[in-house]
Amino acid sequence: QKEVEQNSGPLSVPEGAIASLNCTYSDRGSQSFFWYRQYSGKSPELIMFIYSNGDKEDGRFTAQLNKASQYVSLLIRDSQPSDSATYLCAVRSGGSNYKLTFGKGTLLTVNP
Amino acid sequence: NAGVTQTPKFQVLKTGQSMTLQCAQDMNHNSMYWYRQDPGMGLRLIYYSASEGTTDKGEVPNGYNVSRLNKREFSLRLESAAPSQTSVYFCASSEVWDTEAFFGQGTRLTVV
Repeated sequence: QKEVEQNSGPLSVPEGAIASLNCTYSDRGSQSFFWYRQYSGKSPELIMFIYSNGDKEDGRFTAQLNKASQYVSLLIRDSQPSDSATYLCAVRSGGSNYKLTFGKGTLLTVNP
Repeated sequence: NAGVTQTPKFQVLKTGQSMTLQCAQDMNHNSMYWYRQDPGMGLRLIYYSASEGTTDKGEVPNGYNVSRLNKREFSLRLESAAPSQTSVYFCASSEVWDTEAFFGQGTRLTVV
């Protein structure tokens, strides 16, 4: 089992809709969870991070974490064409192991 | 403030040649990472360094070596390049385990 798995996509939503991106992880000791956005040909950039169970909101973005189910998600409300990109889920191992593992990414297209 | 700087940005190698990819960060971060990104594969961890003086293997270390030269610099060496190592390579750094990783601009490597 891959350590971090994301729904394969691609995901296509109309402008103004909610886009839902999902991620599961295998290491129960994982401590911190990140969502990155990557435009074609560019470097990944951080959107949000979350450490505790529950929801964390930042503008149009909401990250949700459920450690019992080993599940983390990202919701994008009022999706815009500029949100079209690949979204990468990343999980950092716990303890003194600072390994940061990424999923394969989900390509999101927001149609005007 | 440059952040994470990778050199070179582009490189073409012949099979069997060697080269070193350089990475330097000016944010006084403790942890540094090398990833490769192939189409549809997300970011795969090659090696990482939790702190100066330590290095550990990631998901795909075969064919690579690393050196954490000092706190700022983390280099990746290909001793005998193979076509399977054609990829985009990203270096990243983070302060501690619970903070975001910042990425360099990437190195596009082609092995022919």
